[in-house]
Amino acid sequence: GENVEQHPSTLSVQEGDSAVIKCTYSDSASNYFPWYKQELGKRPQLIIDIRSNVGEKKDQRIAVTLNKTAKHFSLHITETQPEDSAVYFCAARNNAGNMLTFGGGTRLMVKP
Amino acid sequence: DAGVIQSPRHEVTEMGQEVTLRCKPISGHNSLFWYRQTMMRGLELLIYFNNNVPIDDSGMPEDRFSAKMPNASFSTLKIQPSEPRDSAVYFCASSPQAGVEYEQYFGPGTRLTVT
Repeated sequence: GENVEQHPSTLSVQEGDSAVIKCTYSDSASNYFPWYKQELGKRPQLIIDIRSNVGEKKDQRIAVTLNKTAKHFSLHITETQPEDSAVYFCAARNNAGNMLTFGGGTRLMVKP
Repeated sequence: DAGVIQSPRHEVTEMGQEVTLRCKPISGHNSLFWYRQTMMRGLELLIYFNNNVPIDDSGMPEDRFSAKMPNASFSTLKIQPSEPRDSAVYFCASSPQAGVEYEQYFGPGTRLTVT
């Protein structure tokens, strides 16, 4: 089955700096890669996703890149703000089913 | 739409007791997922249903865990008997359609504590 590795497990940045979170996946058939943000005590919520026919996608301060050959994808947050502090999860899904395999999560702390 | 609804939001029970967690997916969604979240193991998929049929239950820890989806608007996750190591947050999620890259919408979760 699919295996998703996520790094780093914790990330501390100064407000205004950029943050990058990286994930690798094992199943070359995976074709959909969402990113979820989970604030303390809340549910995970989708913030951005990318499909395998696209190399990069942007939405305001966040962007995701995908390298299918290397089987890795990354989340980039620019001009970080304290409200970006949360746990971020990457995930991967293939056409064989509707399941998402999640990475272990990254706790992002943005210091004001 | 009210989103995915889960009950109870918090459950404290003693070891050996039966626990039933409930989920109402978003109306019109075909797929339903049960996840468990702990600090040690992260977010784990336990089981998922498509059109009320269990598709993959390979994540169910052991026979003490069972899940049902008697109709499109209701699902239960039961633990019998419960053990302290079952303490976790259990999330239910639903998505519109299998086989398409649609977002999974998570419920608020049930925080289970087994003493």
